[in-house]
Amino acid sequence: GAVVSQHPSRVICKSGTSVKIECRSLDFQATTMFWYRQFPKKSLMLMATSNEGSKATYEQGVEKDKFLINHASLTLSTLTVTSAHPEDSSFYICSAHNPGQSNEKLFFGSGTQLSVL
Amino acid sequence: SQQGEEDPQALSIQEGENATMNCSYKTSINNLQWYRQNSGRGLVHLILIRSNEREKHSGRLRVTLDTSKKSSSLLITASRAADTASYFCATDGRDDKIIFGKGTRLHILP
Repeated sequence: GAVVSQHPSRVICKSGTSVKIECRSLDFQATTMFWYRQFPKKSLMLMATSNEGSKATYEQGVEKDKFLINHASLTLSTLTVTSAHPEDSSFYICSAHNPGQSNEKLFFGSGTQLSVL
Repeated sequence: SQQGEEDPQALSIQEGENATMNCSYKTSINNLQWYRQNSGRGLVHLILIRSNEREKHSGRLRVTLDTSKKSSSLLITASRAADTASYFCATDGRDDKIIFGKGTRLHILP
């Protein structure tokens, strides 16, 4: 298997502040990571594809300036929710392929529950 | 846009019974995967079936794929309380993206 660690698991913040979420691949190198957003009892919506050493690719309708993605190393991608508002409250999950195993199967972090007051 | 669509959206069955969930998709695929998610957690990969396969087994899981109907089913036999979770199908899309369906919330009753 492969382990993807996501931190923090839960964050509560005031409206207007920025929140950083980290996603690490612990035992493999991930040139590509994916960020998803999930509303309660709903499916995962792909937000963006994080590429190591280059700009992230955002899905249609996702604000680049709102959700900043940095993939500075082969084992770490970060998602920063800037100037968070209550409507940004959601469950955010990262994932990655393990190229050593398969480029098809995704390994997921445990998710971050963001609550903006 | 979402590719897969599961039905039913929610399913409650007695422990020991079999649970069947279905997934339909719209475009051609290379493979289809099923994932499980416990409440408030990340997803765990269960099984992958390729477009040239019709059926696959893994323990108590049985997955079928009908590419002519663009549909797949996940059968969990002899269900247990620990099987309570949400189950998602996922299909490969453009640029190595994996797109998830809406999911089925499965509840195993004791």
